This record gives sequence, C-alpha cells and structure tokens, in this order.
Amino acid sequence: DQQVKQNSPSLSVQEGRISILNCDYTNSMFDYFLWYKKYPAEGPTFLISISSIKDKNEDGRFTVFLNKSAKHLSLHIVPSQPGDSAVYFCAASSLHTNAGKSTFGDGTTLTVKP
Amino acid sequence: NAGVTQTPKFQVLKTGQSMTLQCAQDMNHNSMYWYRQDPGMGLRLIYYSASEGTTDKGEVPNGYNVSRLNKREFSLRLESAAPSQTSVYFCASSEGPSSNQPQHFGDGTRLSIL
Repeated sequence: DQQVKQNSPSLSVQEGRISILNCDYTNSMFDYFLWYKKYPAEGPTFLISISSIKDKNEDGRFTVFLNKSAKHLSLHIVPSQPGDSAVYFCAASSLHTNAGKSTFGDGTTLTVKP
Repeated sequence: NAGVTQTPKFQVLKTGQSMTLQCAQDMNHNSMYWYRQDPGMGLRLIYYSASEGTTDKGEVPNGYNVSRLNKREFSLRLESAAPSQTSVYFCASSEGPSSNQPQHFGDGTRLSIL
C-alpha cells in the first residue's frame, strides 16, 4: 500500500504560468514533508520542505502548502521557467516513528514550454 | 565540494555475478541510505544506516547486503545478481536519525543485469 502518492505522472505548463504539483499521503504519523527535484542522469536534490505544524512554506518562486485534514500537500512554482523542467518527488517522514527515513512518491515530470 | 560520490556510474553484469556499489560522503553525516529507482517509480529504500556501526533493512532488502565501513562510506553488495535487480541505485546521506534535515544524493549507479 503506497503511503505517498503523486497521482499525476506528468504536467505541462507554459513559461511564466503557475505549476501546481500535488501529493497525497495516508500515514497520519508523517510530520515532515519534502520536495525533491531530479534532472536526468543526476541524483535528486532538495527543493523545499514543510513541517506539520505549518500550513505554508515559501522560498522564492517555490511555495509548499500542507492540508493536514485532507492529507494533501502541493508545490506551487510561480512563475515557471524552462529550467524547472524536471521530475519532482514528494517525500514524507516521521521523526518519532521512522527515525527520519523518508517515503517517496513516484514523481511528477514537469515540462515548462518556452 | 563532492557531497555524495558513487562508483561506478555504470555497470553491466551477467546473472549470478556479484558486485559491490561504493558510496562515500564528505559532509560528516551520520545517516546513509541506499535506494533503487525503477522506471516510472519513486525511490524505494533498500537499506539504511542511522549511524556508524548500525544498519537496518528498508522496504526492498532481499538480494542485497550492506556494510557501513566507517562514517564516510556505505557500500551495497549484490551477492548473486538477478535481472530483477536491473535499476538505478542511489546513495544518500543526512545529518542523522534525530533530525528532519533533507537527504543529499549521489548521481546514481546504472546497473544492468543480463
């Protein structure tokens, strides 16, 4: 049973518009959520995170929103740029029950068209 | 500024052969991880080491063994390779099990088993 789900395998947006990537989780013990970005032939790199005590975290063009009641988080990229084209992984962890190990979703491939 | 270094980058094996994937980090991190990524899927945890001297099974440990050689190095061994182990393998490190700090990844080892 997959505990972290990214239901959209791919997303295509126009340069300058908003990209919204979604992630759902089932384990209510998760208390920390991260987004990673991955380019081809490279390892994932950390993008942004949010603790369960917050509902929003912003870093430049990237904002993550957390809705604990719906067990849903989203990553907003505004404005989207061609260099943002990559695979985005959502990850969740539970410090107290999982020793900080992360569970990853299957990823969403974002394509930003010039 | 190497971060996490994985060797080799590519490898082709025949069924039944053995090999060891090497991983080293220079960030003085306590925790290290081995993942595999299959096409269209997320990262699945094979083994992890919360701290030097400890190792534990992850989600998909069958067919693998690990060694935490010292704080810097964490190796993954395939004793008798099978075609089902064809995948991209990523090593990662993070500050420690009591921290929610993000993981830092190497660029992966692409392993094909014929």
